Amino acid sequence: AQSVAQPEDQVNVAEGNPLTVKCTYSVSGNPYLFWYVQYPNRGLQFLLKYITGDNLVKGSYGFEAEFNKSQTSFHLKKPSALVSDSALYFCAVRDFMDTGRRALTFGSGTRLQVQP
Amino acid sequence: DADVTQTPRNRITKTGKRIMLECSQTKGHDRMYWYRQDPGLGLRLIYYSFDVKDINKGEISDGYSVSRQAQAKFSLSLESAIPNQTALYFCATGRDRNTGELFFGEGSRLTVL
Repeated sequence: AQSVAQPEDQVNVAEGNPLTVKCTYSVSGNPYLFWYVQYPNRGLQFLLKYITGDNLVKGSYGFEAEFNKSQTSFHLKKPSALVSDSALYFCAVRDFMDTGRRALTFGSGTRLQVQP
Repeated sequence: DADVTQTPRNRITKTGKRIMLECSQTKGHDRMYWYRQDPGLGLRLIYYSFDVKDINKGEISDGYSVSRQAQAKFSLSLESAIPNQTALYFCATGRDRNTGELFFGEGSRLTVL
């Protein structure tokens, strides 16, 4: 089975400060990991992914995420938050060991609020 | 034009009515998915299709059915809608079986009274 947990319903940060949105996962084998962002009244948009290789993955809009296998985590980070980063963020996982027939499993989402 | 188009974007219906949500895509992807979004629960998979003849149930398929009419079209039906099916529904497409990156429509908000 594959699962992902986002322990924080909401994260509040001041503009210009660094931000972290947490994600932990559980898979049988090695994970494919994703972050998506959802702006109000919009569908989800892909931010970044980890498949293999460098543990630090860089994505869209200045976001990055760090894969930590020992802690089974894939936290989303940004060095300096913008008010426009305020949105709902979803972590997702797929188990590399499956036959390719399984879909992504999403977390419950974390609302990021960046105050001016 | 959007790559993944969902219709209708909003629908209010009554308990017991049949409702169909439609999804069409111009990305040329083989894989299509229907997810449901509820506050605090994230996205949950209803059905997915890897091609026209390959339909699979997701984690919450009870009360729903789907039809893959063509590579580009994937519709979701509620045969007899009930209030706890009130939610935001997303269609998504995917290309690569090895990575799973998805492309989402704008969503269809369904209210069942």
